[in-house]
Amino acid sequence: SQQGEEDPQALSIQEGENATMNCSYKTSINNLQWYRQNSGRGLVHLILIRSNEREKHSGRLRVTLDTSKKSSSLLITASRAADTASYFCATDDGGSRLTFGEGTQLTVNP
Amino acid sequence: EAGVAQSPRYKIIEKRQSVAFWCNPISGHATLYWYQQILGQGPKLLIQFQNNGVVDDSQLPKDRFSAERLKGVDSTLKIQPAKLEDSAVYLCASSPNIYEQYFGPGTRLTVT
Repeated sequence: SQQGEEDPQALSIQEGENATMNCSYKTSINNLQWYRQNSGRGLVHLILIRSNEREKHSGRLRVTLDTSKKSSSLLITASRAADTASYFCATDDGGSRLTFGEGTQLTVNP
Repeated sequence: EAGVAQSPRYKIIEKRQSVAFWCNPISGHATLYWYQQILGQGPKLLIQFQNNGVVDDSQLPKDRFSAERLKGVDSTLKIQPAKLEDSAVYLCASSPNIYEQYFGPGTRLTVT
């Protein structure tokens, strides 16, 4: 089974609204990353949060990490139509191997 | 900076045929990865190279999949013979460190 599991599987919102996606994992991690994948394209790295960090910001992105609950959330504020994509969390245990979740499909309606 | 290049972008083959994918990583990136992404799922690591040596191929179906990275730069991934369940997008990624990975556009394989 996948290390990371995203919730919800699909999310549809209006432009300007905030979007929150969650990721849960099973084993201890060193880092957790979020990636975006536009339809038919490769993945793009968004943000990395280390296991000793609780929150991190990058532009309109806010990531939180709760290692006691083995979960992370990605918040996209003031969403735009261009944010429509699939979002994946990925974890590593200190090595360079990433384990990806199943992804959340976000649709932002103009 | 040029990104990760992959070819072909699309490939349709019949089951039991062979197919090969090519990847050119970002210049200077020592680590190269091949992932398989089945529709509706996250990418699954097939093999990881550090320069021209294999670091992790534990999830590579070695009876039909093979990969090489000659001279520690370009890489090829081969499937022989292909099965219907191999239909997926094959993603190549490279990395300068153990954190951020840079992905290519992928090759969409359809096995009929």
